[in-house]
Formats: sequence, structure tokens, C-alpha cells
Amino acid sequence: DVKVTQSSRYLVKRTGEKVFLECVQDMDHENMFWYRQDPGLGLRLIYFSYDVKMKEKGDIPEGYSVSREKKERFSLILESASTNQTSMYLCASSQTPDYSSLGQPQHFGDGTRLSIL
Amino acid sequence: QKEVEQNSGPLSVPEGAIASLNCTYSDRGSQSFFWYRQYSGKSPELIMFIYSNGDKEDGRFTAQLNKASQYVSLLIRDSQPSDSATYLCAGGKVTGFQKLVFGTGTRLLVSP
Repeated sequence: DVKVTQSSRYLVKRTGEKVFLECVQDMDHENMFWYRQDPGLGLRLIYFSYDVKMKEKGDIPEGYSVSREKKERFSLILESASTNQTSMYLCASSQTPDYSSLGQPQHFGDGTRLSIL
Repeated sequence: QKEVEQNSGPLSVPEGAIASLNCTYSDRGSQSFFWYRQYSGKSPELIMFIYSNGDKEDGRFTAQLNKASQYVSLLIRDSQPSDSATYLCAGGKVTGFQKLVFGTGTRLLVSP
């Protein structure tokens, strides 16, 4: 089974702090994703990465950055945390198929519930 | 118009009934579809995926895809109270770095 591990289940930080959320997957997946999930808004893609040191902006990248120095690890950074970044953050990974062009499922970590005070 | 749309619910069904969850999508470039179950406070869990027109069955779950109508559905037979959760539909394109577009989910309540 795919295992996606997020470093913290719950995190409380203060406004202006630099916050790091870590995600590790053990299935050698090429693709990794960071989402936030808020009531009524569903899953929103923040950033994703399709290879080491490669990153692409998602739908809501403002206020966030990412780092992927190793294939198994994808970090989300809140440069200067603000209260509107209080949310559930979900990391996911997926495989790039060798021959088929069909999409692959994403596998999610348990999530980090982040509160910014 | 959202790319993937779902009725937010709640959809209420009695135990033992068939629950029918529906999803429509606007992008004809979407080729693959996924159903996730999400319990309150938990992360989404993959339960089904479908690529071809028609039905795909897995235990009590059946996914249906109609590309002409741009419609995806999930049927849950013999619904159990433990099936009570939010069900997310997601569509994937042939291109686009394996991104998925998620609907906002339908909340299902199965009453004993």
C-alpha cells in the first residue's frame, strides 16, 4: 500500500511565523501535490511537483512556496503565516504511468490541521 | 461553471438501500475519473476509478461513466451507516502533469 506521511496532524503557529509542513511518500512516485481544504470550498491545489527540484503553481499559490530536494519528500512553506491560512493541509502523491496516458489516482496523507493565531 | 460539479447534499438513505451519487464534468479532455470517500476530519481515501464508458463494479460499489453526457456516478448497494461520509469525484486529463480536478463532494447519510 502507498504510504504518504505528513509530519504533524495538528499545528498551532502565530501570525508572521515561517511555517514548514513536511510530506514523505514511500512509493517512489514522481508527482506530489499540496492542497488545502476548507468547508464549502473543497480541495484547492496550492503547488505540485512532477520531479525533483521541479515545481508548478496550482490554483492558490500566493503566500506559499515549496521545496522538493529529494524524490520522496515535498515540503510546503508558509513564508509569513496569516490567519487566513488556517486550514486543513493535505499532501498527495501519484505515479506517472509508463505507457498509458490515462490519469493516475492520487494518494493522500492524513492531513495537517494548521491554526494560525 | 465548475469543472467538476457535485450536489453537496446531504443525501439521506436508509440502511440497506442503494445510494446514488452523481457528478458532472465540463472538460471533454478528462479521461479518467476517481471516487474518494472522506470521513469527517480525515483525509480522502480512494475507493474506485473508471476510465471507460459503462460500469465498473467492486464489491458493493459500482462506478458508471458516460462520456457523451459528461456524467459519472457511484452506486453503493446495501448502504451501511459506516458509509456515511463525504464522497469526492475527481477528473483527470490526458495532459497536465497528472493533476486531478476535484468536485466539492456530496455528503451521504445512511440511517440505521
